[in-house]
Amino acid sequence: DQQVKQNSPSLSVQEGRISILNCDYTNSMFDYFLWYKKYPAEGPTFLISISSIKDKNEDGRFTVFLNKSAKHLSLHIVPSQPGDSAVYFCAASGNQFYFGTGTSLTVIP
Amino acid sequence: GAGVSQSPSNKVTEKGKDVELRCDPISGHTALYWYRQSLGQGLEFLIYFQGNSAPDKSGLPSDRFSAERTGGSVSTLTIQRTQQEDSAVYLCASTYSGALAYGYTFGSGTRLTVV
Repeated sequence: DQQVKQNSPSLSVQEGRISILNCDYTNSMFDYFLWYKKYPAEGPTFLISISSIKDKNEDGRFTVFLNKSAKHLSLHIVPSQPGDSAVYFCAASGNQFYFGTGTSLTVIP
Repeated sequence: GAGVSQSPSNKVTEKGKDVELRCDPISGHTALYWYRQSLGQGLEFLIYFQGNSAPDKSGLPSDRFSAERTGGSVSTLTIQRTQQEDSAVYLCASTYSGALAYGYTFGSGTRLTVV
């Protein structure tokens, strides 16, 4: 049973515009949420995280928003760049991480 | 090296054969995880090692799968009598104990194809 869901398998965005990637979870006991980025033939790399006690964390062009009442988090990338094209996984932590199925982002030059 | 190293990077095997996948974590990382990603699926947890504690094997899909971690460092994932549904990318990750807020460091994975 999928505890972390990414309902959009793909997303295309024009360079310079905002990319918004969404993630929903089911377990209200999760205490950390993370986003990973994965290029083909490489392992996922950690991008940004947020604690369950916060509702926003920003790091450069990347901002993660957490809505605990809705059990929803999102990753905003502004402005989007062609090098951001990758698969993005959200993850939620209990004693290990539960990953979503990923969203493939394509940033069009 | 500075990262998590996995070998081989690609493995093609015949159905019914056994395979061994290796993971060399970052030195000093006490926690080691195996995940797999099948086509169109998310990252599926397989097994978790933490220091000298008994591993969490709750994610292993069948008794054909086993893993060990020798000396608290290198880990080997073994799949016996491989089946076509075992075809996936097998990812290893490591982290410091209690560092879940900072995420894992993943290796590049082993792409297993069972023909």
